[in-house]
Amino acid sequence: GAVVSQHPSWVICKSGTSVKIECRSLDFQATTMFWYRQFPKQSLMLMATSNEGSKATYEQGVEKDKFLINHASLTLSTLTVTSAHPEDSSFYICSAKGLAGGPYNEQFFGPGTRLTVL
Amino acid sequence: DAKTTQPTSMDCAEGRAANLPCNHSTISGNEYVYWYRQIHSQGPQYIIHGLKNNETNEMASLIITEDRKSSTLILPHATLRDTAVYYCIVRVFNTDKLIFGTGTRLQVFP
Repeated sequence: GAVVSQHPSWVICKSGTSVKIECRSLDFQATTMFWYRQFPKQSLMLMATSNEGSKATYEQGVEKDKFLINHASLTLSTLTVTSAHPEDSSFYICSAKGLAGGPYNEQFFGPGTRLTVL
Repeated sequence: DAKTTQPTSMDCAEGRAANLPCNHSTISGNEYVYWYRQIHSQGPQYIIHGLKNNETNEMASLIITEDRKSSTLILPHATLRDTAVYYCIVRVFNTDKLIFGTGTRLQVFP
């Protein structure tokens, strides 16, 4: 149980284009999803928290107009990197958390998406 | 937010117990200690968490000192597949947020 998938696993795009990354909880309902970014040889940095049906809450320093997050259902959240630039190249990882008190009441992480912007 | 301090790296022989320490001296009484690990180029994997009491599951044991200022993650019989970066995290009080530190790189050798 507690499987989280991400698609795509890697993507290469040109500077100025937008890229959408999907995060799905496959066998449980995720009331909360989180998006992280990880640069090479660094730790994970939380970007934003999203609850199903609500607007995402962004961490300080993360541009909400650049990183659009949608959590439209209990099993799907998307992160869109708009007008991507080379400095946005990173490893993007999502996590999903189920209902409080339930068996999936922790953050379970997806495998990550490697974004390279040329 | 409570911060954690972990050794940068550790080695462990295959088959032996791996004991990974973590200091969290500023932890509040109702903040949980979580452990995750990250194998290279993958998403983190949940290992275990605890509040006050020692905890054990199929992956590991978590020993929390009585004053809660430090804890130790124990992998009882390390294998080569346990080579990873191990993160000790104090969950932010009254939220679901996990703030990752730099972790301990555990290398298990044959």
